[in-house]
Amino acid sequence: QVQLQESGPGLVKPSQTLSLTCTVSGGSISSGGYYWTWIRQHPGKGLEWIAYTHYSGTTDYNPSLKSRVTISLDTSKNQFSLKLSSVTAADTAVYYCARVSITIKVVGQWGQGTLVTVSS
Amino acid sequence: DIQMTQSPSSVSASVGDRVTITCRASQGISNWLAWYQQKPGKAPKLLIYAAFTLHSGVPSRFSGSTSGTDFTLTISSLQPEDFATYYCQQANSFPWTFGQGTKVEIK
Repeated sequence: QVQLQESGPGLVKPSQTLSLTCTVSGGSISSGGYYWTWIRQHPGKGLEWIAYTHYSGTTDYNPSLKSRVTISLDTSKNQFSLKLSSVTAADTAVYYCARVSITIKVVGQWGQGTLVTVSS
Repeated sequence: DIQMTQSPSSVSASVGDRVTITCRASQGISNWLAWYQQKPGKAPKLLIYAAFTLHSGVPSRFSGSTSGTDFTLTISSLQPEDFATYYCQQANSFPWTFGQGTKVEIK
């Protein structure tokens, strides 16, 4: 059973870069059948897709965040990462890493989520 | 972006009740629609994908249907463990988008 675990700072200062890593266990991120993705949830609010990537190099970003986001894969560590630059308080959210089936494009496995607060 | 409008935003119901939640897409998404359940402090869990298909292990009291750009999640007989927030998600085009959520509360 694939498991995903987010890691990274829980507090980031405004204007800085938020960096998170997702470690995948029980399966390989080089598996062709899945996208690896980041989703966030503002406190008490709904869900927002940030970006996804595939080991082939395919990547796509939510246009609302595209200018500030980078998603990348490290197959040697079986990890993928998110960088969000120039953060503001509006980026305070629970960030989830997740695995998306390419065929049905839904999230079958989620990480537990990590709260990132943007504050000075 | 495709907008997903979910209704109602909350519903109060009792154990054994039939509950229906609707999601309307701002444009055609074929059957690229999924439903998730989220409990407080937890990640969402997949319930239904491709509008009708029950994810492995999900009880049969959950079902999905569609009429054009309107999609419905039905819980036929609400159980205590079903009190949660439910989200729809369109998978037709990126950015995949979610509805605002429907909170199912105890009456």
